[in-house]
Amino acid sequence: QSVLTQPPSASGTPGQRVTISCSGSSSNIGSNYVFWFQQLPGTAPKLLIYRNNQRPSGVPDRFSGSRSGTSASLAISGLRSEDEADYYCAAWDDSLSGCVFGTGTKVNVL
Amino acid sequence: EVQLVESGGGLVKPGGSLRLSCAASGFTLSNYSMNWVRQAPGKGLEWVSSISSSSSYIYYADSVKGRFTISRDNAKNSMYLQMNSLRAEDTAVYYCARDASIWGEFDQWGQGTLVTVSS
Repeated sequence: QSVLTQPPSASGTPGQRVTISCSGSSSNIGSNYVFWFQQLPGTAPKLLIYRNNQRPSGVPDRFSGSRSGTSASLAISGLRSEDEADYYCAAWDDSLSGCVFGTGTKVNVL
Repeated sequence: EVQLVESGGGLVKPGGSLRLSCAASGFTLSNYSMNWVRQAPGKGLEWVSSISSSSSYIYYADSVKGRFTISRDNAKNSMYLQMNSLRAEDTAVYYCARDASIWGEFDQWGQGTLVTVSS
């Protein structure tokens, strides 16, 4: 049972900007860092954004993250066909003493 | 090159047991907390368990608490997940993942191992 809520899907044409939301609560997003993961079809997840808005080495600056209160968002600008994937947010939850993932958002490039 | 390789998955009957292993290479395992994350077929990611670098702190998802046991052997560069009393809903690909510095910052993942619980 996911504690973080994401829209099931998001889509855009090449070059457009797509934003994915992640809604949580005071015990997770409201008090801990948010992480974003990208999962390409048939592969393991990959860390995309860490500590709310930081990009690991090798992740294009087209990907950006933000957090406000108990919500977070991931933006993909200059959408490309290779961005078609599932995206998950995650955060540590102090009440559950565990990590919680979002419900996942499938990004389609039209 | 940092690498995590899971093994031990397979087909098991409901109520049975299985032990997963995660072999680490390319980094010093004892410096990192480690985790298990699973993904049921066609479903999203679900965190299963975490273990700190020296095994001092261990956490489990409610869905597996009392049935699964996480452990590690830093000298063998390995982490384990002992799964008992398996249920059909435990069917999933199980990934091991490294925490970069704090809980949830899964910066390295294995390729996963499939566990199927079915009679």
